[in-house]
Amino acid sequence: GENVEQHPSTLSVQEGDSAVIKCTYSDSASNYFPWYKQELGKGPQLIIDIRSNVGEKKDQRIAVTLNKTAKHFSLHITETQPEDSAVYFCAASPITGGGNKLTFGTGTQLKVEL
Amino acid sequence: GAVVSQHPSWVICKSGTSVKIECRSLDFQATTMFWYRQFPKQSLMLMATSNEGSKATYEQGVEKDKFLINHASLTLSTLTVTSAHPEDSSFYICSAAPSGYGYTFGSGTRLTVV
Repeated sequence: GENVEQHPSTLSVQEGDSAVIKCTYSDSASNYFPWYKQELGKGPQLIIDIRSNVGEKKDQRIAVTLNKTAKHFSLHITETQPEDSAVYFCAASPITGGGNKLTFGTGTQLKVEL
Repeated sequence: GAVVSQHPSWVICKSGTSVKIECRSLDFQATTMFWYRQFPKQSLMLMATSNEGSKATYEQGVEKDKFLINHASLTLSTLTVTSAHPEDSSFYICSAAPSGYGYTFGSGTRLTVV
């Protein structure tokens, strides 16, 4: 089955700096790569996703890049703000939704310091 | 659109009793729903895939007789933790994948067994 590794496990940045979280996956059949933000005591919230036919996607301060050859994808957050502090999870799935399993990375605790 | 409602948000039960958690898709029909368990500071681990009108598919190591899943309609899946013990205390999260929206998650249920 799919195995998703995520690094770093914790990341501390100063407000206004950029944050980068990296993930690798093992199954070449994976084609859908979402990123989730999880605040304490809440369910994961989708912040951005990318499909295998796209190399990069950007939404305001958040961007995701995908390298299918190397089987890795990254989350980039620019101009970080204190409200960005949360746990971030990457994930991978063969296709978008349906009955296919979503495999999660181990999570990154992001702390944005004033 | 694509909202998944999960109840209760938290529950405390005595050891040996059973607890039912509900997951509803509010504005779409979900043929498949997913149930995850998350221990503190850990990632989401898939427990089972719930299929409307048929038996759930459990992940390796998950006791099907302990974690009963019922998906009797296209908008409701339930997870019943039977004969709960303190080690079952965890954060349980459901998810569904409506077409075109990726995966959407419920707000989670914090189960504490005392």
